[in-house]
Amino acid sequence: AQSVSQHNHHVILSEAASLELGCNYSYGGTVNLFWYVQYPGQHLQLLLKYFSGDPLVKGIKGFEAEFIKSKFSFNLRKPSVQWSDTAEYFCAVNPYNQGGKLIFGQGTELSVKP
Amino acid sequence: DAGVIQSPRHEVTEMGQEVTLRCKPISGHDYLFWYRQTMMRGLELLIYFNNNVPIDDSGMPEDRFSAKMPNASFSTLKIQPSEPRDSAVYFCASSPLPGYVRSYNEQFFGPGTRLTVL
Repeated sequence: AQSVSQHNHHVILSEAASLELGCNYSYGGTVNLFWYVQYPGQHLQLLLKYFSGDPLVKGIKGFEAEFIKSKFSFNLRKPSVQWSDTAEYFCAVNPYNQGGKLIFGQGTELSVKP
Repeated sequence: DAGVIQSPRHEVTEMGQEVTLRCKPISGHDYLFWYRQTMMRGLELLIYFNNNVPIDDSGMPEDRFSAKMPNASFSTLKIQPSEPRDSAVYFCASSPLPGYVRSYNEQFFGPGTRLTVL
């Protein structure tokens, strides 16, 4: 079955620390990849997306992600986190032949200490 | 654009009662999705529609759940009868154009309906 795995359930960092959140998916075909963020009490918002081309994708608020096809991974990074980055982060995969369907990972809760 | 609109934002009901959640997608979007979010199971896709037609309802938990999309601007998710284990946040999302146009399948989420079944 198709699935998305996020390795870390809860990450705690201090401000200015670097962030990397892991995401791996199980699907052998072409995929579109997304990271969504959910701030406390709010709905999901798109952070960045990969469809094709340069595997290093830059998103909003200084986030970036790298698609490594051979590893089926799409890890999210930020060089220096801020307290306002405290949120839950979801990786999602859209298999190319399944219309708009997204398969989400379980989410990683990020807590940034000021 | 107002974005995806969901109502109500909060719903508290008693076990056995019928619950109806409503969603208005972004105008012009061809796809509409219903998700459920819980601590235990994360974000689960329940059902999605393309041009008002249900495409995949394999995520609907059981017959107590039903969803309709009578027109392009309105969808409902109904639970009858409701049970305490249905307590969750239910999100609706919409998306323009189908996934084979690779750059256009970003989903836009509504604010969610927090359902509590006592």
